[in-house]
Amino acid sequence: DAKTTQPPSMDCAEGRAANLPCNHSTISGNEYVYWYRQIHSQGPQYIIHGLKNNETNEMASLIITEDRKSSTLILPHATLRDTAVYYCIVRVVEGAQKLVFGQGTRLTINP
Amino acid sequence: GAVVSQHPSRVICKSGTSVKIECRSLDFQATTMFWYRQFPKQSLMLMATSNEGSKATYEQGVEKDKFLINHASLTLSTLTVTSAHPEDSSFYICSARVPIGAFFGQGTRLTVV
Repeated sequence: DAKTTQPPSMDCAEGRAANLPCNHSTISGNEYVYWYRQIHSQGPQYIIHGLKNNETNEMASLIITEDRKSSTLILPHATLRDTAVYYCIVRVVEGAQKLVFGQGTRLTINP
Repeated sequence: GAVVSQHPSRVICKSGTSVKIECRSLDFQATTMFWYRQFPKQSLMLMATSNEGSKATYEQGVEKDKFLINHASLTLSTLTVTSAHPEDSSFYICSARVPIGAFFGQGTRLTVV
């Protein structure tokens, strides 16, 4: 699976949009981009995933560049409860299907 | 959505004893489950892939005789930490494979004293 690069930490004000970038320049054509988050001392929580089109659900939006070498997770109106470590992972849907976690971005939402 | 339940959430054991952690998929069948370990301020490290009815596949560097994995049914996988030592103290997390990716348990904090 392709490697991802994320900033180690970010801050965002409560109520503002939080934009978390991820670089995956070696992504293959059949690899999806997944986002998970981990709130302190809990298991990771699935947020969203996509292949090449932008995706939106009740939690977030995922914007993937046209060349698919990077993506941005957008939390439109961040709350204090969104403080967590956010992981961007690329993987093929078929095959081994194991999720390999990088270091992620520690997002802190400030009041 | 799919729920994965892990038990216990916390356990303290004496050095040299064994500890079993259970991972259950509550409303779906999981032919494949994964076990991770996480040390403080570090990311999740994949330990092994557990397949129902067959032997687990361990990642490089993970001792299969120390971390026993059993996946006897489509809803239950267990991880037994044998002869636990203080350095085995960690946060252990399981996940179950689903078509869109994986769902995770809430984790087990193991402390070996």
